[in-house]
Amino acid sequence: AQSVSQHNHHVILSEAASLELGCNYSYGGTVNLFWYVQYPGQHLQLLLKYFSGDPLVKGIKGFEAEFIKSKFSFNLRKPSVQWSDTAEYFCAVNGGMNYGGSQGNLIFGKGTKLSVKP
Amino acid sequence: KAGVTQTPRYLIKTRGQQVTLSCSPISGHRSVSWYQQTPGQGLQFLFEYFSETQRNKGNFPGRFSGRQFSNSRSEMNVSTLELGDSALYLCASSITNPEETQYFGPGTRLLVL
Repeated sequence: AQSVSQHNHHVILSEAASLELGCNYSYGGTVNLFWYVQYPGQHLQLLLKYFSGDPLVKGIKGFEAEFIKSKFSFNLRKPSVQWSDTAEYFCAVNGGMNYGGSQGNLIFGKGTKLSVKP
Repeated sequence: KAGVTQTPRYLIKTRGQQVTLSCSPISGHRSVSWYQQTPGQGLQFLFEYFSETQRNKGNFPGRFSGRQFSNSRSEMNVSTLELGDSALYLCASSITNPEETQYFGPGTRLLVL
């Protein structure tokens, strides 16, 4: 079955540290890739997405992610984190019309909790 | 433009009861998807509706059902509640397809006692 793996369950960083959160998926066809963020007490918000084109995509709040097709990866990065980045981050994949024959739905990773110490 | 709204925000039920949750998508969005979020299983897809038709369904038992109305509003129903149904139920809408960006609502937190 298709799956999304996020390798880090909980990451703790100090402010100004660099961030990289890993995401790997298991589907070999055409995919749409997403990172969502859930701040404490708030609902899921889209951070960035990749549909096609430049594999390096930039999102809101200084986040970026790189799609490496050969590695089935879509890692999230930020050069310098802030305390306000404390949240849970979810990687998601949507394979479109060919995704296992379905119309497409988001397959989420289990999430990575990021705690940024001030 | 108003975001996705879900009602109620919190709900407490007892085992064996049934529950109905409501979702109003962003104006103009016709695709509505439902997800269950639990600490153990994470976010799992329940089903997706478009033009009042269920287009896609996840691996949940038949106790979980849904429907969509002509104004794109959607409801999901869980019958014969079990303790394990305690979760945050999220609704997401997109313009026509989940392949596009989905916008999530705040969720309904259901506690089954």
